[in-house]
Amino acid sequence: NAGVTQTPKFRVLKTGQSMTLLCAQDMNHEYMYWYRQDPGMGLRLIHYSVGEGTTAKGEVPDGYNVSRLKKQNFLLGLESAAPSQTSVYFCASSYFSGGYEQYFGPGTRLTVT
Amino acid sequence: GQQVMQIPQYQHVQEGEDFTTYCNSSTTLSNIQWYKQRPGGHPVFLIQLVKSGEVKKQKRLTFQFGEAKKNSSLHITATQTTDVGTYFCAGPGGGTASKLTFGTGTRLQVTL
Repeated sequence: NAGVTQTPKFRVLKTGQSMTLLCAQDMNHEYMYWYRQDPGMGLRLIHYSVGEGTTAKGEVPDGYNVSRLKKQNFLLGLESAAPSQTSVYFCASSYFSGGYEQYFGPGTRLTVT
Repeated sequence: GQQVMQIPQYQHVQEGEDFTTYCNSSTTLSNIQWYKQRPGGHPVFLIQLVKSGEVKKQKRLTFQFGEAKKNSSLHITATQTTDVGTYFCAGPGGGTASKLTFGTGTRLQVTL
């Protein structure tokens, strides 16, 4: 039981490049989330999904897109990376809604130059 | 929108001293969760409080949920170096119970 996994662990992009971050969970959780964490800013929700085929915007969605084609996977895309997107990205999942604990992946450290 | 603030932002203690972090929400919460993030790691769930005035203990950690369900606290007795990390509170809200709003976090540093 791997829990929540994220790939890649590290990535360096040039401004304007695109990339996709993959999150996978093997706990059969309905809900999945993408957060970004910047120094002193805590965790900010980018997008989330309440089930397969659904997505919704979080607090800071601009510049990101997501897809949840399979229940176990949640993809985060950056179409045209900007230096402001340099951050640590965490994926999380939970069995159900906000009343349930979230399980976090190990994170992806992204640097945009 | 909903805001969840924590104080202090940072605290440095000597091993054996006590530590407390406070969490305040701008809205009433149905429940509150606490997470710990070690340096370089990811947030890990510690506990959830649901009832008004609820107090729960985990060894040296004591968690409280306020009577009005808008604030919470985490108290660590006799800190150890293993307590180092950032502690976040989080509550459902922001217009939907589908997501959590995380507090700003309190970073704890413990030295010998």
